Amino acid sequence: DAKTTQPTSMDCAEGRAANLPCNHSTISGNEYVYWYRQIHSQGPQYIIHGLKNNETNEMASLIITEDRKSSTLILPHATLRDTAVYYCIAWGTSYDKVIFGPGTSLSVIP
Amino acid sequence: DSGVTQTPKHLITATGQRVTLRCSPRSGDLSVYWYQQSLDQGLQFLIQYYNGEERAKGNILERFSAQQFPDLHSELNLSSLELGDSALYFCASSAWTDVMNTEAFFGQGTRLTVV
Repeated sequence: DAKTTQPTSMDCAEGRAANLPCNHSTISGNEYVYWYRQIHSQGPQYIIHGLKNNETNEMASLIITEDRKSSTLILPHATLRDTAVYYCIAWGTSYDKVIFGPGTSLSVIP
Repeated sequence: DSGVTQTPKHLITATGQRVTLRCSPRSGDLSVYWYQQSLDQGLQFLIQYYNGEERAKGNILERFSAQQFPDLHSELNLSSLELGDSALYFCASSAWTDVMNTEAFFGQGTRLTVV
């Protein structure tokens, strides 16, 4: 499994864009980049995933560099309810373990 | 609502006892994953099943075991419980194809307290 590294914590002002980086320099060709978040002891929630193209959904945008060694999750207008731990995961196929790292603790500040 | 149901939501038991945690995956999902999250710790992958067969194993203790039944629900059995087994236990499910990844959906967890 590719390892990912993320900053331990970040702050973001309410209403501003939150940009959460992730490094996955050893990602292999068949591994997707997934983002999940966990709000205070709730079950982790899927946000978005991508392989090499940028992706956008109703929750967020995912920007993956051309060499696929890093990515950025963008929450366009952060709200207080976006305060959570955000996990970046590299995951190949359903045969793989889905391994969560420590994630980034995002605090959205009023 | 993720569609993944875990029961019970809370469980308090004594050291040395055995408990069973249950997970019903989303309709149609064949893969089930179990995770343990201790206080202030990350999500630790325990084990994965696909359509009744074990697919991947993490740092699961020998005192712990799991299975997936023909109706695709899964159970995690924890025996000879110790205080350190107190944690949130999450189940997740995902669909599976051999050509495309799908996301995993998590239940709300079972909070186990060993006293």
